[in-house]
Amino acid sequence: SYELTQPLSVSVSPGQTANITCSGDKLGDKYACWYQQKPGQSPVVVIYQDTKRPSGIPERFSGSNSGNTATLTISGTQAMDEADYYCQAWDSSTVVFGGGTKLTVL
Amino acid sequence: QVQLVQSGAEVKKPGSSVKVSCKASGGTFSSYVIHWVRQAPGQGLEWMGRIIPILSITNYAQKFQGRVTITADKSTNTAYMELTSLRSEDTAVYYCARETSVAGTWWFDPWGQGTLVTLSS
Repeated sequence: SYELTQPLSVSVSPGQTANITCSGDKLGDKYACWYQQKPGQSPVVVIYQDTKRPSGIPERFSGSNSGNTATLTISGTQAMDEADYYCQAWDSSTVVFGGGTKLTVL
Repeated sequence: QVQLVQSGAEVKKPGSSVKVSCKASGGTFSSYVIHWVRQAPGQGLEWMGRIIPILSITNYAQKFQGRVTITADKSTNTAYMELTSLRSEDTAVYYCARETSVAGTWWFDPWGQGTLVTLSS
């Protein structure tokens, strides 16, 4: 079955850039999206179709997807961005999530 | 603005079944595709399956085949997820989410608030 691999954790200083990766076989041939989940809350999409931001999501969130890796980039990271982030893609009519990355802003 | 409101928390005994509801408001339910995703305590997101109410089509993750049934009642704009033969590892928050699509890509937005199902003997 298809798998997506994310780092367990990423740390970033406030105002710096955070990069969260998601790896999967030929992931660049699929579309990836990203969800943010804060403690006790439901996930919220922050990037869809590799690079698109839904309305209401700050411009500091951006995405890319090429080869075997999709990347979520948060520029000028703020304390409010501390959360778990999950990548997601489709494979043969099945939804696949990455294991999630805990972003710590310190 | 589409909203998904789920039923309340449940405590179940091993071997029993649970049925969680997800009521949609603010849109045309029959045109939605509703997915179910679960999250065990401290763990990641796990896709369980989906239903296309207008076509009465369901797809299930292989892991849950035979144990999960997703249904929809178009008259009440409500989707349901029933999981049978419950075991301790089924303790989780269960989410419903609407599939949103554009140009050959799909994602989940919005999500329900989640329903905690706890297994306890």
